[in-house]
Amino acid sequence: SAVISQKPSRDICQRGTSLTIQCQVDSQVTMMFWYRQQPGQSLTLIATANQGSEATYESGFVIDKFPISRPNLTFSTLTVSNMSPEDSSIYLCSVSGTHNQPQHFGDGTRLSIL
Amino acid sequence: KNEVEQSPQNLTAQEGEFITINCSYSVGISALHWLQQHPGGGIVSLFMLSSGKKKHGRLIATINIQEKHSSLHITASHPRDSAVYICAALNQGAQKLVFGQGTRLTINP
Repeated sequence: SAVISQKPSRDICQRGTSLTIQCQVDSQVTMMFWYRQQPGQSLTLIATANQGSEATYESGFVIDKFPISRPNLTFSTLTVSNMSPEDSSIYLCSVSGTHNQPQHFGDGTRLSIL
Repeated sequence: KNEVEQSPQNLTAQEGEFITINCSYSVGISALHWLQQHPGGGIVSLFMLSSGKKKHGRLIATINIQEKHSSLHITASHPRDSAVYICAALNQGAQKLVFGQGTRLTINP
């Protein structure tokens, strides 16, 4: 299975700032996803990162708040913009070859906003 | 009502006990995932199955498509099995994962 490196593993940020989270995979993958897990909750899909084109966002998530880049088949970034305490969550990237293959997850980024 | 429901939400057992976690779903699915999340937040994919039964070490996952139900079993449980176990259904139409709320498992020595 793919090895996923997600950075940073955790951060504490000030309100109003932005943070970019990186997801690096050791092999080319077709599908890359970004999820949010709020405290005590399960995972929610933010968007599907598309290589070479704009990400596909889920209802309730917008590009201005969560800009995503995917310059190639092994790398993606998620930026959490203009952060507020409500953005305190674990952010996870996951990858898969196709929709019918298992998704493999990174270790997550635990983000706290003061 | 959530599209994917897990039970129990919390489970505490003694080392060596046989563990069962249940997952029911209401959507049409292509496959069902069982995931394990440790306290640090990282998630490990345990199984993806669309029919029958899969086994890996002490872990067994079963699915009954007609009843829209899946179970995860752990035999000879160990404190290192303590984690949150998440069931996620791959929605057949949207081809997206729909997650259960998770079951927090604690195995005491």
